[in-house]
Amino acid sequence: DAGITQSPRHKVTETGTPVTLRCHQTENHRYMYWYRQDPGHGLRLIHYSYGVKDTDKGEVSDGYSVSRSKTEDFLLTLESATSSQTSVYFCAISVGTLETQYFGPGTRLLVL
Amino acid sequence: KNEVEQSPQNLTAQEGEFITINCSYSVGISALHWLQQHPGGGIVSLFMLSSGKKKHGRLIATINIQEKHSSLHITASHPRDSAVYICAVRSGIQGAQKLVFGQGTRLTINP
Repeated sequence: DAGITQSPRHKVTETGTPVTLRCHQTENHRYMYWYRQDPGHGLRLIHYSYGVKDTDKGEVSDGYSVSRSKTEDFLLTLESATSSQTSVYFCAISVGTLETQYFGPGTRLLVL
Repeated sequence: KNEVEQSPQNLTAQEGEFITINCSYSVGISALHWLQQHPGGGIVSLFMLSSGKKKHGRLIATINIQEKHSSLHITASHPRDSAVYICAVRSGIQGAQKLVFGQGTRLTINP
């Protein structure tokens, strides 16, 4: 699993509240990604990071922000959660010269 | 039209059957990934291809760059192969590997 953990694994929150999801890796890989997975859409990239304090937007970045102050942690924040952000969120890293992607276990978020 | 299309969306087969899942894409790519997602939700990378064919156990992945098509084959299928199989393509230069994913093929193997 390339030492990737996500927390929390499950969360229920109310519309309008801020939510932060954490992705932690133990092997100092440079590239980290946040995806969301929804029925009918497959996995979609939210944001990614190519180093400490270096981040960029993916295809569905509206309503999300990220931060990476340490190599091992990549945080995803929903500033004001909406019901459309109910989803399963996956963190991933890419590893090695072949850049294989390894995924975290996922976080199920329900916004009521 | 999605940039990555998989077929079929759902596939049910009997144990022992030969399985083929197809992936077509519409953009130029530098690599194609096949991923497996088990019912528990975890996602595992199976293959990364940029040309030709790769084999791992009973799984074989092929890619035809000219035709923009890839296939994932499973020989002697087993109920434990039941999962969602996802194709993803990477385009652009080396660096942050932004992938575009297909919607997945749900495979069920009955004993």
